[in-house]
Amino acid sequence: EAGVTQFPSHSVIEKGQTVTLRCDPISGHDNLYWYRRVMGKEIKFLLHFVKESKQDESGMPNNRFLAERTGGTYSTLKVQPAELEDSGVYFCASSRATGGSGNTIYFGEGSWLTVV
Amino acid sequence: GQSLEQPSEVTAVEGAIVQINCTYQTSGFYGLSWYQQHDGGAPTFLSYNALDGLEETGRFSSFLSRSDSYGYLLLQELQMKDSASYFCASHTGGFKTIFGAGTRLFVKA
Repeated sequence: EAGVTQFPSHSVIEKGQTVTLRCDPISGHDNLYWYRRVMGKEIKFLLHFVKESKQDESGMPNNRFLAERTGGTYSTLKVQPAELEDSGVYFCASSRATGGSGNTIYFGEGSWLTVV
Repeated sequence: GQSLEQPSEVTAVEGAIVQINCTYQTSGFYGLSWYQQHDGGAPTFLSYNALDGLEETGRFSSFLSRSDSYGYLLLQELQMKDSASYFCASHTGGFKTIFGAGTRLFVKA
């Protein structure tokens, strides 16, 4: 079974440009999450999809960030226009709908974004 | 609000036992998980507690006290490869998971 995959793994863009990160969750996982870790700090929650619906987007920092999940499959996170403080590692994670033993979240390897 | 507190750094020697504490303030709490993250890698699941008590998985154990809003991760027989960041995470209704700031563990020879 393939894990959570993210693309691109690394991206360096200039301030004001646009970047779109993509996440393919584990097949069959209805829950999809985006998290961000900045400069070795906490893994900060951004938002949560259940299938194609946004369950909780309370962690999205501002309207420069737009997340979508087309057809309840893969998800994209677009940052437009990017600012210097957006630099960090963006993790996508997924889990099954029923929770089960702790609702284990499986993380992707992350997309490392550097805004210069 | 929701928050988790854990120490920023812990240092221990190979073969030792180390305990990483986590206190949480979470509404709708139903469980506490622990994740390990090596530099440059993805966080990986270690353990989960929904009920009070100790859960043991090999060299790692995790403990939860719901009445104290407190848990810990216990690592025994430390190895150099255990050097990593360890995150506690609280699970709430709606499958939302909030992470602590992480504890950086340094294992010395």
